[in-house]
Amino acid sequence: EVQLLESGGGLVQPGGSLRLSCAASGFTFSAYAMSWVRQAPGKGLEWVSTLSSTGGSTYYADSVKGRLTISRDNSKNTLYLQMNSLRAEDTAVYYCAKDYGSGPTPCEYWGQGTLVTVSS
Amino acid sequence: DIQMTQSPSTLSASVGDRVTITCRASQSIGSWLAWYQQKPGKAPKLLIFKASTLQSGVPSRFSGSGSGTEFTLTISSLQPDDFATYHCQQYNSYPWTFGQGTKVETK
Repeated sequence: EVQLLESGGGLVQPGGSLRLSCAASGFTFSAYAMSWVRQAPGKGLEWVSTLSSTGGSTYYADSVKGRLTISRDNSKNTLYLQMNSLRAEDTAVYYCAKDYGSGPTPCEYWGQGTLVTVSS
Repeated sequence: DIQMTQSPSTLSASVGDRVTITCRASQSIGSWLAWYQQKPGKAPKLLIFKASTLQSGVPSRFSGSGSGTEFTLTISSLQPDDFATYHCQQYNSYPWTFGQGTKVETK
């Protein structure tokens, strides 16, 4: 059974930093691209970033480019999102998601999410 | 960026109704479109990918159609478990983009 467990969310002041983790199990982690998608309170889904299976290719939404960094440790089956220079508009539930397979693919499985609140 | 527009934003329906949700892309995305179902406080669940391919385990009352810029999600006979919010997403090109969501509520 595929499981994705996010952690690391919490309350942080504007300008602060946070690192989210996503522990994966139930599949060959190193074979799949992984993504982060967020959802602000009461709003729709917003794609944040995608990282290829090897970590060689990264993609970011313009709204987070230069502030958020996606990475992975395939030896630990873990995906990360380093969040710097946080803003109030980054407040959201952050989901990690496993991509479906090779080529253009949607998010097949999602974690339960972790809430990040940016506020003074 | 490709803009995705869903309609309606809210849909009131009864159990047994046929429900159709539309998603339009601002430019052609081929068939690279997914539909997700989301219930309050829960993660989205993949229902359909490549516009019309049903994800494993998803009931056959769900179907998707379309290509290019216009897509539909149809629930042939709405069941109590189907009251939720539905999101479309294009994965033709980065940045991936989602529609604003359609909430299916009880009439």
